[in-house]
Amino acid sequence: DTAVSQTPKYLVTQMGNDKSIKCEQNLGHDTMYWYKQDSKKFLKIMFSYNNKELIINETVPNRFSPKSPDKAHLNLHINSLELGDSAVYFCASSQDDGTGLTPEAFFGQGTRLTVV
Amino acid sequence: RKEVEQDPGPFNVPEGATVAFNCTYSNSASQSFFWYRQDCRKEPKLLMSVYSSGNEDGRFTAQLNRASQYISLLIRDSKLSDSATYLCVVNKGTGGFKTIFGAGTRLFVKA
Repeated sequence: DTAVSQTPKYLVTQMGNDKSIKCEQNLGHDTMYWYKQDSKKFLKIMFSYNNKELIINETVPNRFSPKSPDKAHLNLHINSLELGDSAVYFCASSQDDGTGLTPEAFFGQGTRLTVV
Repeated sequence: RKEVEQDPGPFNVPEGATVAFNCTYSNSASQSFFWYRQDCRKEPKLLMSVYSSGNEDGRFTAQLNRASQYISLLIRDSKLSDSATYLCVVNKGTGGFKTIFGAGTRLFVKA
């Protein structure tokens, strides 16, 4: 069983479209994240959710809207896609409880988004 | 100053070599430190956590210097399979929920 799974693995779409990426974890973790890895391979946090509540939004454009229907799921919806949104998006989860000692994060396989 | 800085490399080393990576972090309140490994077109995976006293896992040794705010990773007897990008990871500190990744150091081990 895959611990953190995200779909789709590849996504090619035209500018201006709206798309969603789904993520599910079966590890029983309370905290989930979305990361963006651009062409320079820099992995940058976008959002953190803890118990379905948004904790961190790293100045991500409003076109990006995460949704957490329950602790095991964190989906990412992107409106009006732009060329600069092309990147690999990783979902992750951990048992981070916000006290400062951060446990290991487990990552999904990534979604390679290409906007044309 | 970036929150986490690493030498991007690439490091090109022959099999059997010893190679060391360094990483500096800016937030003195950070409490958790890690090295992750990312293979080409794959997700990052934990290589090892870094403890204050230093820790070793087989050919890999990690060290933390809180006073100077840097972390190191030493790989002994490099194998071809060690070729990957090594990511230095630091947590935000108090308040949690944010782990910051360095840009990664690329390692190529050649036969």
